[in-house]
Amino acid sequence: DVKVTQSSRYLVKRTGEKVFLECVQDMDHENMFWYRQDPGLGLRLIYFSYDVKMKEKGDIPEGYSVSREKKERFSLILESASTNQTSMYLCASSTIAGDTQYFGPGTRLTVL
Amino acid sequence: AQSVTQPDIHITVSEGASLELRCNYSYGATPYLFWYVQSPGQGLQLLLKYFSGDTLVQGIKGFEAEFKRSQSSFNLRKPSVHWSDAAEYFCAVGAGGYNKLIFGAGTRLAVHP
Repeated sequence: DVKVTQSSRYLVKRTGEKVFLECVQDMDHENMFWYRQDPGLGLRLIYFSYDVKMKEKGDIPEGYSVSREKKERFSLILESASTNQTSMYLCASSTIAGDTQYFGPGTRLTVL
Repeated sequence: AQSVTQPDIHITVSEGASLELRCNYSYGATPYLFWYVQSPGQGLQLLLKYFSGDTLVQGIKGFEAEFKRSQSSFNLRKPSVHWSDAAEYFCAVGAGGYNKLIFGAGTRLAVHP
């Protein structure tokens, strides 16, 4: 069965902390994505990666960076967390053809 | 610019009633269209997708959607809603290379017994 896992379901951090959100997929997918979900705004793409060490900015990359050192793992990094980054973060993966994205359960991040 | 509009933020239906969730898109080329569902505390699950061909698409859980190019719409339907269908539904359009998706704001469905 298709599986995308995220390291934490809930996370509470303080303003200014460096935050790592981890995503692992077991489907040997080439593409991986990080989205942010906010009420009334739907999902917005932060970054995506189409291969190891390759990344592209999405629609809202400011304040975020990513790392993909292995095909199965895609990390989202908040260099200095701020309260406006309190949100639900969803990871997804797809094949290179990209016809279906498979989502993880999400990480609800609260920045105090 | 590409965009997706879901005009209804909340919808409430009675169990057994029919359902239609609206989705309008703005995209210059032939769109790839998707409906996803998010149950409480869960990630998104694909219900159905349209790439080409028959404009009436069947999905999982008894859902279907119809692509109408003239109306730039891709509405989701179900003839008889079950209490377990209560969830948030997202329409999305594939927007270019690597199938980046643009999502609508979502419609939250409540089902009354």
